Amino acid sequence: GDSVTQMEGPVTLSEEAFLTINCTYTATGYPSLFWYVQYPGEGLQLLLKATKADDKGSNKGFEATYRKETTSFHLEKGSVQVSDSAVYFCALSATNAGKSTFGDGTTLTVKP
Amino acid sequence: GAVVSQHPSRVICKSGTSVKIECRSLDFQATTMFWYRQFPKQSLMLMATSNEGSKATYEQGVEKDKFLINHASLTLSTLTVTSAHPEDSSFYICSARDPRQGNYGYTFGSGTRLTVV
Repeated sequence: GDSVTQMEGPVTLSEEAFLTINCTYTATGYPSLFWYVQYPGEGLQLLLKATKADDKGSNKGFEATYRKETTSFHLEKGSVQVSDSAVYFCALSATNAGKSTFGDGTTLTVKP
Repeated sequence: GAVVSQHPSRVICKSGTSVKIECRSLDFQATTMFWYRQFPKQSLMLMATSNEGSKATYEQGVEKDKFLINHASLTLSTLTVTSAHPEDSSFYICSARDPRQGNYGYTFGSGTRLTVV
């Protein structure tokens, strides 16, 4: 079945450091890929998405490129802020039926 | 943008009682909603797909008699945890698709923290 593998956390960075959170997937067909962010005690917010190969999703300084050849969708940000501290989930949806498969989540802590 | 509201945000109940969680799409109609469960420090697991006007589709291993789902209108789906036990304590999140945002316009609710004592 479909699966998503994220780099294990937690990740701790200093403010203004460069962030990379790795995500790889296995799926049949051509899934859409997503990054969600979850702040403490809250639900999930869609951070960015890419629906086909070579698409780059971007939002709030975060970027991720859909790499079909490496089945990856790594999340990057050039300069993190304390407010970026949260749990980040990589996810895929292989159909338009709405079922999403999530990675285990990566906790990011940014220290001032 | 699309807004999905979940209520309550937190609930504590006694073992053996039932708890109802509501998921509402506030500014769009959702023929399909999804219910997820998240254990502490773990990922989200899809429990069931809620279809307006018909029976929910449950994922393998999810007890449909324990987790009752009703999608009576285009803007409301409810999840009822029946005869709750401490092992049902979890974070439950719903999502709904906004058809105005294309096939992948899914919006998540803010979640419900259920604690069974």
